[in-house]
Amino acid sequence: EVEMAESGGGLVQPGGSLSLSCAASGFTFSSYWMSWVRQAPGKGLEWVADIRKDGSEIYYVDSVKGRFTISRDNAKNSVYLEMHNLRAEDTAVYFCARGLIAGGGFDYWGQGTLVTVSS
Amino acid sequence: SYEVTQPPSVSVSPGQTARITCSGDALPKQYAFWYQQKPGQAPVLVISKDTERPSGIPERFSASTSGTTVTLTISGVQAEDEADYYCQSADSRGTYVVFGGGTKLTVL
Repeated sequence: EVEMAESGGGLVQPGGSLSLSCAASGFTFSSYWMSWVRQAPGKGLEWVADIRKDGSEIYYVDSVKGRFTISRDNAKNSVYLEMHNLRAEDTAVYFCARGLIAGGGFDYWGQGTLVTVSS
Repeated sequence: SYEVTQPPSVSVSPGQTARITCSGDALPKQYAFWYQQKPGQAPVLVISKDTERPSGIPERFSASTSGTTVTLTISGVQAEDEADYYCQSADSRGTYVVFGGGTKLTVL
């Protein structure tokens, strides 16, 4: 059974940093693109970043470029999101998701972890 | 930046057919995917690669494409189908993922 579990969310002050992790199981992790998708309270889904199977390609939404870093460790079946210089508008539930192709197609999702940026 | 556009809301009575459209210039080149999301839950993929229904998704969910518009169709809508539905695709190069703003389906 495919499972993904995010961790690392919490309350952080504006300008602060936070690191999210997503542990996956039940499939060959190294065969899939992985992504982070977020959802601000009461708002829609927003793709944040994704990373190719072997880590050789990485893409970000413009609003997080230079502040967020996605990475993966195929030996640990995990994908990470390091977030710096956080802003109030980064407040959201962050989901990790498995991608069928480079352009998305997220067939499995974690339950999400809440990141709140507030003073 | 590239966008795909959905109507904010659609309402239908039980047993009727709901249609939700998604428009974007790159849709003829890039696959479209549809997700259902209920309050407090993670999204669920209901249509993959334009028209494919993943395992476990009821047959009443289908989709079609026509030029720059893709359409999710829910036939014989049931109360349990009330949810937010999101279209997702990618830019013309297939590198940047984009979600539509979401459509709230209300079952009257």
